[in-house]
Amino acid sequence: GAVVSQHPSWVICKSGTSVKIECRSLDFQATTMFWYRQFPKQSLMLMATSNEGSKATYEQGVEKDKFLINHASLTLSTLTVTSAHPEDSSFYICSAPRGPGMNTEAFFGQGTRLTVV
Amino acid sequence: EDQVTQSPEALRLQEGESSSLNCSYTVSGLRGLFWYRQDPGKGPEFLFTLYSAGEEKEKERLKATLTKKESFLHITAPKPEDSATYLCAGGYGGSQGNLIFGKGTKLSVKP
Repeated sequence: GAVVSQHPSWVICKSGTSVKIECRSLDFQATTMFWYRQFPKQSLMLMATSNEGSKATYEQGVEKDKFLINHASLTLSTLTVTSAHPEDSSFYICSAPRGPGMNTEAFFGQGTRLTVV
Repeated sequence: EDQVTQSPEALRLQEGESSSLNCSYTVSGLRGLFWYRQDPGKGPEFLFTLYSAGEEKEKERLKATLTKKESFLHITAPKPEDSATYLCAGGYGGSQGNLIFGKGTKLSVKP
């Protein structure tokens, strides 16, 4: 079946540095991918929608200059957390729908645990 | 305000002890109610989508049902491998990514 692979699974970085997270669709093309964030004991929250070949759209309250999204190919989207701070520590998860239908099943990546020290 | 509330937060069952998980939702223009399973340190795994009140879907020991205000995930004769966090989410708006997630119910099944 369709698989979405996310890398790295976990990363620890120093405050002020940048971290890049990759999300790949392994056996299908994804013109759209979604990035979510999950704080401990909180719900998954949509951060942004990544669109192949065009600018990402961000949810209200998400800083687009801090969370840079690039979707340069039909199988790869990247999220770069720039100038990371401890409050950015969270579990970041991407997802990609396997087709265009509004209720098409979405496949989620394994998630990336980011810890900023 | 749109929201999805799951209860209980945690549920401990003995192997074979059937039970139900609840998902109450208030989502304007709901286009689907989704259930996912999430194992520790991993992303959610899709289980079901329910579209209209009265709909039911089954998969192995799991059955999901939907009313106009709630959805239930019934677990029949659970096994230890069913232990996970179960998430429900309400789909809304014009994007496939527009999902309001609940905080999940952490299920533990003891042998």
